[in-house]
Amino acid sequence: SQKIEQNSEALNIQEGKTATLTCNYTNYSPAYLQWYRQDPGRGPVFLLLIRENEKEKRKERLKVTFDTTLKQSLFHITASQPADSATYLCALGPSGTASKLTFGTGTRLQVTL
Amino acid sequence: DSGVTQTPKHLITATGQRVTLRCSPRSGDLSVYWYQQSLDQGLQFLIQYYNGEERAKGNILERFSAQQFPDLHSELNLSSLELGDSALYFCASSVGPSGPTSTDTQYFGPGTRLTVL
Repeated sequence: SQKIEQNSEALNIQEGKTATLTCNYTNYSPAYLQWYRQDPGRGPVFLLLIRENEKEKRKERLKVTFDTTLKQSLFHITASQPADSATYLCALGPSGTASKLTFGTGTRLQVTL
Repeated sequence: DSGVTQTPKHLITATGQRVTLRCSPRSGDLSVYWYQQSLDQGLQFLIQYYNGEERAKGNILERFSAQQFPDLHSELNLSSLELGDSALYFCASSVGPSGPTSTDTQYFGPGTRLTVL
C-alpha cells in the first residue's frame, strides 16, 4: 500500500545551522511533491512545490530536492532561525489509487538560540 | 490570510449532540477538503468535494457527513458526538483539476476547535 514517511521525532538544531528534513515514500509515483509549514493550532501553509522532472527548487532560505529513484525528498532550511520552529509536512500529488494530494504526518523542527 | 474562512472558531458541546462546521473556500476555488487533527496527531483526510460533488473519501465516520452548496461553501456535520471527536477540524480549498499540469496546492482555513465534554 502507499506510504509516506517523515521522521516522527523532533529535529532540534542550533540557530544559524542548516536544518534538513526527510520525506520518504513507497508505492507512489507522484507527478509532484509539496512542502507545508504548520504552526501549533493553525492550518498548514504551502511553502514549495517540486515536479518529478525537477531535481531541486529554491525559495529564499528554503531548498527542496526530489529524487524519484530513491523515492525521497529533502527539505533544507539554511541559516535557521527560532522563527522557523514549526512542523513541516510533505505532501504527494495524485498517484495510482491516491486521487488527491496526500499528506505525511510531519516533522517538528525546533531551532534554539 | 489564506482566503479560506471557517466558522465557528471554537465549539464546545456535549456527547451525543450534533454540530455543523462551515467553510467558505477562496474565491475561484472549486475543491473543498475537510481534515481532522487530534492533539499532536497528523492531518486525517475526511472528504473532498469538487464543484458540488463528492470526489474523494477518507476515513470519515458514518456519523459524519458533508456537502458542498451551489455557492461552493461547504458544511461538515458531526452527529452523535463522542469524546474522541474532540479535535481541530480544518477546511482547505484548491482550484481543482484543470489540466495535466495542474497541481493540487491546498489553502487551509484557521480551523474549528471542537471540544466534546
